[in-house]
Amino acid sequence: DAMVIQNPRYQVTQFGKPVTLSCSQTLNHNVMYWYQQKSSQAPKLLFHYYDKDFNNEADTPDNFQSRRPNTSFCFLDIRSPGLGDAAMYLCATSRGRRITQYFGPGTRLTVL
Amino acid sequence: GDSVTQMEGPVTLSEEAFLTINCTYTATGYPSLFWYVQYPGEGLQLLLKATKADDKGSNKGFEATYRKETTSFHLEKGSVQVSDSAVYFCALSSGSGGSNYKLTFGKGTLLTVNP
Repeated sequence: DAMVIQNPRYQVTQFGKPVTLSCSQTLNHNVMYWYQQKSSQAPKLLFHYYDKDFNNEADTPDNFQSRRPNTSFCFLDIRSPGLGDAAMYLCATSRGRRITQYFGPGTRLTVL
Repeated sequence: GDSVTQMEGPVTLSEEAFLTINCTYTATGYPSLFWYVQYPGEGLQLLLKATKADDKGSNKGFEATYRKETTSFHLEKGSVQVSDSAVYFCALSSGSGGSNYKLTFGKGTLLTVNP
């Protein structure tokens, strides 16, 4: 089945230690998104790629970066994780900037 | 700006009870409307959607009708099951040109169904 895959499902890192989260998709969608979801809150969009074009949300901290080496893969890099970055990170995809986004299972990040 | 207001939870029901989760929105233009469901420890799954006024989205016994006159998209199910226990998010997508990618979510409603 076509799907959005995130690895790892659970990630533990130390305060200030860089971490990379991975997302891959078999839907052949050209738009990929990263969301941050803190406990009991709605997901918050960090940025998205439209093809190779990177689009950052205005309030996304500089500590968060992203890479998209090809259509299928997208990475979220957190350069210096703080305790406040502990959250579920969700990857989503869509075909063009059309309306329906499909989400992966998420990576839960713990910062010690 | 765009916003979504949904029923505060938690909602606790017995199995086979009727479910309604209210959702109202404020948006420019003609938004598309969604319900997503999130099971414990999982990502979001698209439950149903509606793209224009009077459309009814339905899936797995859940329904929601896009009501432009009341700016609402209430989620209903006639008979809930224990397996429906999850957090439900109402969301909208609006804007024009390159800006219609953004999903605006409500705060989520936790549903617990007891046997």
